[in-house]
Amino acid sequence: AQTVTQSQPEMSVQEAETVTLSCTYDTSESNYYLFWYKQPPSRQMILVIRQEAYKQQNATENRFSVNFQKAAKSFSLKISDSQLGDTAMYFCAFLVIQGAQKLVFGQGTRLTINP
Amino acid sequence: KAGVTQTPRYLIKTRGQQVTLSCSPISGHRSVSWYQQTPGQGLQFLFEYFSETQRNKGNFPGRFSGRQFSNSRSEMNVSTLELGDSALYLCASLLGPGVSNEQFFGPGTRLTVL
Repeated sequence: AQTVTQSQPEMSVQEAETVTLSCTYDTSESNYYLFWYKQPPSRQMILVIRQEAYKQQNATENRFSVNFQKAAKSFSLKISDSQLGDTAMYFCAFLVIQGAQKLVFGQGTRLTINP
Repeated sequence: KAGVTQTPRYLIKTRGQQVTLSCSPISGHRSVSWYQQTPGQGLQFLFEYFSETQRNKGNFPGRFSGRQFSNSRSEMNVSTLELGDSALYLCASLLGPGVSNEQFFGPGTRLTVL
């Protein structure tokens, strides 16, 4: 069974600062995806960034980037130049490539960007 | 293209009743997954449907069931409601396994059991 752990229940930073959210996972699978999802207050969950486990290069999407350490089973999210709109719950999630589309989520990190 | 829609958005029921939630995936998407979100347990996988077939089910009692129709719309049903079933129920759709692994989430149905 796969597990995902987010060790930071809450984080708070000032606007324009850089923040890093941590995520570790446990699996015996070799082919999988990792995701960071964002859930703003009272709004829909949206995908922030995706990483395929077979790719060594870390994924980036504008101000969002990941540090994927496969051997350490670590998948952190870095948000650069944080903005007020980044305030949300952030969930790290794991998906086995073969089989049913079952996302395994971490408990989430509540990120607050202060003006 | 319209996103994932879920109806109703809010629901209040009493213990012992049953409830049916509906999810319409993005047009052309054939896979629908359901998740339960609670403050205590976080996000937990309920089940996934693809082409009207349940492909996987999470660790939930038999009171939780679902189905998918030929137009890919999906429903989930919870019978004999318990207080602990109060949660946000999220539906997610994707194009299909092996085609894309990005799941698009709906706004959810917030169920309150009194």
